[in-house]
Amino acid sequence: KQEVTQIPAALSVPEGENLVLNCSFTDSAIYNLQWFRQDPGKGLTSLLLIQSSQREQTSGRLNASLDKSSGRSTLYIAASQPGDSATYLCAVSPYSGYALNFGKGTSLLVTP
Amino acid sequence: GAVVSQHPSRVICKSGTSVKIECRSLDFQATTMFWYRQFPKQSLMLMATSNEGSKATYEQGVEKDKFLINHASLTLSTLTVTSAHPEDSSFYICSARTSGSGNEQFFGPGTRLTVL
Repeated sequence: KQEVTQIPAALSVPEGENLVLNCSFTDSAIYNLQWFRQDPGKGLTSLLLIQSSQREQTSGRLNASLDKSSGRSTLYIAASQPGDSATYLCAVSPYSGYALNFGKGTSLLVTP
Repeated sequence: GAVVSQHPSRVICKSGTSVKIECRSLDFQATTMFWYRQFPKQSLMLMATSNEGSKATYEQGVEKDKFLINHASLTLSTLTVTSAHPEDSSFYICSARTSGSGNEQFFGPGTRLTVL
């Protein structure tokens, strides 16, 4: 059974810092990996999708990497802003068209 | 990106009543929709997979007679919580998968269910 772990569970940084969120998964046979943002009491916003054949994806200040063989992904946030405060979720899918298996998330607080 | 809506966003009901939650893909056709449940400070857990025109596939431990799922069209899936109890209080989120585009899933805004 696929287990997705996110470290740290919570993180507080001052505005402007660059930061890295970590995600690991036990079964490297994944189809793709997605990073999401969830604001309190809200749904999920998709940030980045990495196919299993890809190594990284970038969107603005966000960069996600994938090392499938070692079962790891990182989400890099550059020049963090208070508006980045949210919970970040990592999820993997074993097959095309299959549901996602989520980690518990990293709760990020960026202080002014 | 693709937009998924859910209705209602929040519902409070008495124990024993039934509640229907709608999930709609607004600008694309979704052959597959997923229903997840999220308890406080926990991650999302898959409840069932819903394919248009066929019966839903439920995850182990999810009662199919309690959580009725209907996916009658390519843009609408409904989840009905029958005879709701306080332990069913949770955040219910649906997602819809577009065909192609690398299997990306788009999530609805969620429905907060509180059973008194």
